[in-house]
Amino acid sequence: EAGVTQFPSHSVIEKGQTVTLRCDPISGHDNLYWYRRVMGKEIKFLLHFVKESKQDESGMPNNRFLAERTGGTYSTLKVQPAELEDSGVYFCASSRSGNTIYFGEGSWLTVV
Amino acid sequence: EDQVTQSPEALRLQEGESSSLNCSYTVSGLRGLFWYRQDPGKGPEFLFTLYSAGEEKEKERLKATLTKKESFLHITAPKPEDSATYLCAVLLVSGTYKYIFGTGTRLKVLA
Repeated sequence: EAGVTQFPSHSVIEKGQTVTLRCDPISGHDNLYWYRRVMGKEIKFLLHFVKESKQDESGMPNNRFLAERTGGTYSTLKVQPAELEDSGVYFCASSRSGNTIYFGEGSWLTVV
Repeated sequence: EDQVTQSPEALRLQEGESSSLNCSYTVSGLRGLFWYRQDPGKGPEFLFTLYSAGEEKEKERLKATLTKKESFLHITAPKPEDSATYLCAVLLVSGTYKYIFGTGTRLKVLA
C-alpha cells in the first residue's frame, strides 16, 4: 500500500513568489491534514480536511495560505505571496478514523 | 494552555546502554498519546498509540508507557540504527483532530 506522497520534496523560491504543494493521501483515507515545522520549533497543525470539506483550519497562519482538496482525493497548499518566515517543512498526513495519522516525507520550502 | 514537553532534548548512548525518553503533557483532556520516529530529511514514522494510564505497547527494543501526566519511551539495548529523533504528540478530547507535538528528543546511539 502506498504511503502519503508529497510533491515537491524541495522548493526554493524568492520572496513574493507563489508555491503550490501537493499531497496524495493513503488510498481510502478520508482525513487529510497539513502540518508545518519551522526552524527550531515543534511541528504545528495547519488544517484538517474530511473528504473535501475543511473540518478545522484554525492553524492556518494567515490569508496567504490556501488549502484545497479536490473531490476528496489529493490536496494542495498554496502560499501566495511567500514570505521569508514561511520557510520550513510542510508535512501532509492522512488517517482513516481520525486518531492515528500517517505522515508523508514532507515538502521542504526555502524562501529567499 | 495545552502543552507537550519532551526531555532530554538530545541523548547519546553507547550501543547496548538502555535508557528512557520522557514526554510530559498538560492538557485539558487526553484522547490519545502518540510516539513517532523521525529520521533526518524524512517524515515522522508512526510507532505507538496509548489511550489510557497504565497502558503499555512494545515493538522490538522499544516500549512505551503512559501515566496521567507523562509517557516514557524505553529503549532496551539500543543499536546504532535506533538513532533518530523521537517525537511525542497528544490528541485532545475536543471537536477537532489536531495533534500537539513536543519538540522531540534527538537520540544518537554509538557503536
